[in-house]
Amino acid sequence: DTEVTQTPKHLVMGMTNKKSLKCEQHMGHRAMYWYKQKAKKPPELMFVYSYEKLSINESVPSRFSPECPNSSLLNLHLHALQPEDSALYLCASSQETAVYGYTFGSGTRLTVV
Amino acid sequence: LAKTTQPISMDSYEGQEVNITCSHNNIATNDYITWYQQFPSQGPRFIIQGYKTKVTNEVASLFIPADRKSSTLSLPRVSLSDTAVYYCLVGDWGTDKLIFGTGTRLQVFP
Repeated sequence: DTEVTQTPKHLVMGMTNKKSLKCEQHMGHRAMYWYKQKAKKPPELMFVYSYEKLSINESVPSRFSPECPNSSLLNLHLHALQPEDSALYLCASSQETAVYGYTFGSGTRLTVV
Repeated sequence: LAKTTQPISMDSYEGQEVNITCSHNNIATNDYITWYQQFPSQGPRFIIQGYKTKVTNEVASLFIPADRKSSTLSLPRVSLSDTAVYYCLVGDWGTDKLIFGTGTRLQVFP
């Protein structure tokens, strides 16, 4: 298995809802990442987990809450989001450091209404 | 973190060679140069990586001059399916923090 799988592919949520995005990889990769991408913009790093521990938080608002239950799974819990949080949320993993190459999932298209 | 500068967009025709240049004037000694390709509504895909001189794989070549202040991604004989955004990233070999630049939007015409 050489893929990163993200679910759901599309999500529409209200500003008072609580939802979660899921990311899974079975490549034995050490690190997992969340990126956010707005239309026609580059991906922006949100969080990095290394060996299941949060190692980087790019000053992301607390309405985004990451979780790494095990080495294969990464979640992003969403609560009280704003319409401007609508974006493509990308998960990635890497075997060693990020410089050795990310494997990205296809993303979750999130719309906040 | 070295900042990168790329052309915003480029046009080409099928069968032509495309060269996309990335400037990274403040690249550090431990930094590597990596290129990614991204299609709409998909995650970026790793294309090629290098440290100096020339690297070639089955899809592209990467040219890095001796001063390493720039790099050029070369796509031989592009096709319509090469229409995508191409990102140049520069980062320390030990880092988990890679920043995507603005990218170059390549449009290939028939």
